Amino acid sequence: QVQLVESGGGVVQPGRSLRLSCGASGFIFSNFGMHWVRQAPGKGLEWVAVISYDGSSKFYSDSVKGRFTVSRDNSENTLYLQMNNVRAEDTAVYHCTTLMGLGFSYGFPLNAFDVWGQGTMVAVSS
Amino acid sequence: DIVMTQSPDSLPVSLGERATINCKSSQSILYNSNDMNYVAWFQQKPGQPPKLLFYGASFRDSGVPDRFRGSGSGTDFTLTISSLQAEDVAVYYCLQYYGTPWTFGQGTKVEIK
Repeated sequence: QVQLVESGGGVVQPGRSLRLSCGASGFIFSNFGMHWVRQAPGKGLEWVAVISYDGSSKFYSDSVKGRFTVSRDNSENTLYLQMNNVRAEDTAVYHCTTLMGLGFSYGFPLNAFDVWGQGTMVAVSS
Repeated sequence: DIVMTQSPDSLPVSLGERATINCKSSQSILYNSNDMNYVAWFQQKPGQPPKLLFYGASFRDSGVPDRFRGSGSGTDFTLTISSLQAEDVAVYYCLQYYGTPWTFGQGTKVEIK
C-alpha cells in the first residue's frame, strides 16, 4: 500500500547533527516533489522544506535555511533531511509528505496525491 | 513570506450545527494564468498526521464528506462544515502553496459545544 515511513529521530544536543530518512512505497516516488513538515509539541504545523521530483530544486523555511539540507535518492525511494547545528526550537515531530503532490512534481499534475508519514520525533536537549 | 491568519483559534459548535473557519492571506494567492487559488485545507486529529480536505480552495479530495465545503478567492478563504458530526472534532489548518516558503495558518480547534 501507499506508505511513507520516517526514521532517524531521537534526542540530540544543541549544535549537533542528525539525519532523518523517509522510505516510500506503493507509489512512483520519483514522480513527486517531497516535503518535510514539522510540529512542535502542542503547536501547529510548520512547513520546513521541499525537494523537486528530480532533486534539481530545493526550498527551505527561513527558520532552517543554511542549517538543514533536503535530499533524495530515487533509486532507493528515500527522502532525507540533514539537520546541522540543531537548536532547542527544532524540537518537533518531523513528517515527510507529498503534501498534495502538486508543484515540484513531474508533469505538473492537476489532481492531488496526498500522503503523510506518521512522523519521527526529534528532541534537542542538553 | 505570505502569512496565513486563521480565525477563530477555537470554535465550539453544537452537533448538527454549522462550523465556519476563515483564513486570510497577506497577499493574493490567486494565480491569474489558470484562475486557481493556491490554498489547501487540512484536518488533523490527535496523534494522527494531517489529512487533506481541499486544494485549489474548493477542490474536495477523494473521500471527503460533502458536508465539508471550501470557498473563497484572492486573500479570503473559508472552510465550512454544514452539519458538525462528532468525528469532525479536530484542528483545521489552511496552507498557501502560491510561493515558497509554503506557509500554514496557525490552526483552528473545532470542538463540541
